Amino acid sequence: GENVEQHPSTLSVQEGDSAVIKCTYSDSASNYFPWYKQELGKGPQLIIDIRSNVGEKKDQRIAVTLNKTAKHFSLHITETQPEDSAVYFCAAFMSSGGYNKLIFGAGTRLAVHP
Amino acid sequence: DGGITQSPKYLFRKEGQNVTLSCEQNLNHDAMYWYRQDPGQGLRLIYYSQIVNDFQKGDIAEGYSVSREKKESFPLTVTSAQKNPTAFYLCASSMGPAGLAGGYLSSYNEQFFGPGTRLTVL
Repeated sequence: GENVEQHPSTLSVQEGDSAVIKCTYSDSASNYFPWYKQELGKGPQLIIDIRSNVGEKKDQRIAVTLNKTAKHFSLHITETQPEDSAVYFCAAFMSSGGYNKLIFGAGTRLAVHP
Repeated sequence: DGGITQSPKYLFRKEGQNVTLSCEQNLNHDAMYWYRQDPGQGLRLIYYSQIVNDFQKGDIAEGYSVSREKKESFPLTVTSAQKNPTAFYLCASSMGPAGLAGGYLSSYNEQFFGPGTRLTVL
């Protein structure tokens, strides 16, 4: 069935290092891939997204890459800061059963140590 | 101050009771969604609504019910039929419709999430 796999489940880095989170999706027709950041006790917030007509998108310290052939996409955070510590979710937009929906990965808990 | 509000933040329920979670948005969004979040898992779709007076089941609708009588409101009722209701519930909305069959990327809009309600069954 349709699913999104996300790795790693936890990631610990030193402040200033880079962090990379990877996701794979099953439906080759998926065409929109958002990334959300969720802080403790709060709802997820969109931090960056990419559509299938581009291979890479960057916003300051955050970038996302998409490989449609391999059906995977990645989040890259450079120069990490303690406030980047949170749970990050990837998602893929899929059509199923006559309606469209977002399928979420299981999340990655990122810890940035000063 | 625009956005999505959910209430209450924490909710406790005794077994066998129905409870209703509130979700309100003043973003003038057409589409609204309910997700359930369990530890170590991603968000799973319970119900969604493309427009007033219309809603569709998501992947885990059993034991839940919704209504969409007003554009800005999409309450979720957790019934006694839901066997494992303890979870974090998230409401979201988006500007456009959730999508038509065969819809494509240009019709999809960002989903904005509320702060969530943590439901615990005692």
